[in-house]
Amino acid sequence: EIVLTQSPGTLSLSPGDSATLSCRASQSITYNYLAWYQQKPGQAPRLLVYGASTRAIGISDRFGGSGSGTDFSLTISRLETEDFAVYHCQQYGTSPWTFGQGTRVE
Amino acid sequence: QVQLQESGSGLVKPSQTLSLSCSVSGGHIKIDTFYWSWVRQPAGKGLEWLGRVHISGKTDYNPSLKSRLTMSVDTSKNQVSLNLRSATAADTAVYYCAREPSTTIYGVVVMYGMDVWGQGTSVTVAS
Repeated sequence: EIVLTQSPGTLSLSPGDSATLSCRASQSITYNYLAWYQQKPGQAPRLLVYGASTRAIGISDRFGGSGSGTDFSLTISRLETEDFAVYHCQQYGTSPWTFGQGTRVE
Repeated sequence: QVQLQESGSGLVKPSQTLSLSCSVSGGHIKIDTFYWSWVRQPAGKGLEWLGRVHISGKTDYNPSLKSRLTMSVDTSKNQVSLNLRSATAADTAVYYCAREPSTTIYGVVVMYGMDVWGQGTSVTVAS
């Protein structure tokens, strides 16, 4: 299965800062089928980006996904208080779908 | 707006079967452009994809659970179900169902991640 490694594990930032989260795959992701999810305590994950770079419906343009092959990133510009959460990457190009271990933005 | 709601037994004894349902409201489960996935998350840990099921009955299971797992769709109830046999403490987690939309373009299936999630249901496996 494809292993996704997210870095850093924790990102300590302040409102107004920008965040760059990394997701590296153990092998190339088919069709760049890489998604990013945001998860807040006690809540289900929420889809932010799919296909590596396409924002989901209703997602702020402060969230931007990029990358291809094995290296992907999520950038959050002008952090707002509601952005402090855990972010998961997920590949859905090769079964079984797999998730990274998450990056906490605090 | 489509909403998903998981339900099922919150406490399961070891070796028994963990059974969950996911009710779909605000839309019909019969639409063949959707897969329905199950994802779980042990307390304080990451997400694990268990598998998915299509209205056609086609399933795709995580090999780590395939021997114990059954997923199905009940169109009369607009529900998706999950059965995980021979439960152990390692199956203790919050279980989520999620929708996976897809389209077919020039014969190629295009997928868009998991765009709608249920709120999750907590399951504990203990005697």
